[in-house]
Amino acid sequence: QQPVQSPQAVILREGEDAVINCSSSKALYSVHWYRQKHGEAPVFLMILLKGGEQKGHDKISASFNEKKQQSSLYLTASQLSYSGTYFCGTGRPAGGTSYGKLTFGQGTILTVHP
Amino acid sequence: DAGVIQSPRHEVTEMGQEVTLRCKPISGHDYLFWYRQTMMRGLELLIYFNNNVPIDDSGMPEDRFSAKMPNASFSTLKIQPSEPRDSAVYFCASSLGAGSYNEQFFGPGTRLTVL
Repeated sequence: QQPVQSPQAVILREGEDAVINCSSSKALYSVHWYRQKHGEAPVFLMILLKGGEQKGHDKISASFNEKKQQSSLYLTASQLSYSGTYFCGTGRPAGGTSYGKLTFGQGTILTVHP
Repeated sequence: DAGVIQSPRHEVTEMGQEVTLRCKPISGHDYLFWYRQTMMRGLELLIYFNNNVPIDDSGMPEDRFSAKMPNASFSTLKIQPSEPRDSAVYFCASSLGAGSYNEQFFGPGTRLTVL
């Protein structure tokens, strides 16, 4: 099952904050976040593992809520370079053919204006 | 170090023709993934390999699609015969360790247009 991202699109001015959510109908074991700029390939941002701590670098961080089966990506003091489409990808535990792969959400389009 | 390499970067072909997309993963990576991206369906996994062995091909849309990985440094995705609805960007990605627990590195993609 594909995870569901919300919102589908966000428009910000430089310096504003944003939160992107990723919800799964199945138990979460790992959550990846990727950013894709127009015409380019997705680029890895971070990974969160079940039982792990909140991750972050610079002004982008993420949380993992096992109980809610949800992860959130936090972008603070947004910059023009943050514009792009953000994807979450969910992973399954060891065992079975699903172990090695990710299932990606539909993406959230983030636009940052000057 | 070179990242994931894909060729061709762009392919325009006519319906019914055979199309072969190529991928060279990052050296040492043991997982390789083929994705297709369209506006309608988003980023969907077609097939993935572990140590050159196909593990899950449940995302391959039809028998017209086939993928091989003859060695650790090369993989192909073939569409025969191609149809207009196959038009999409096809990405190859690789990872060191299971892709669900490790960073996946994406190639630049092949933009396929089937007329």
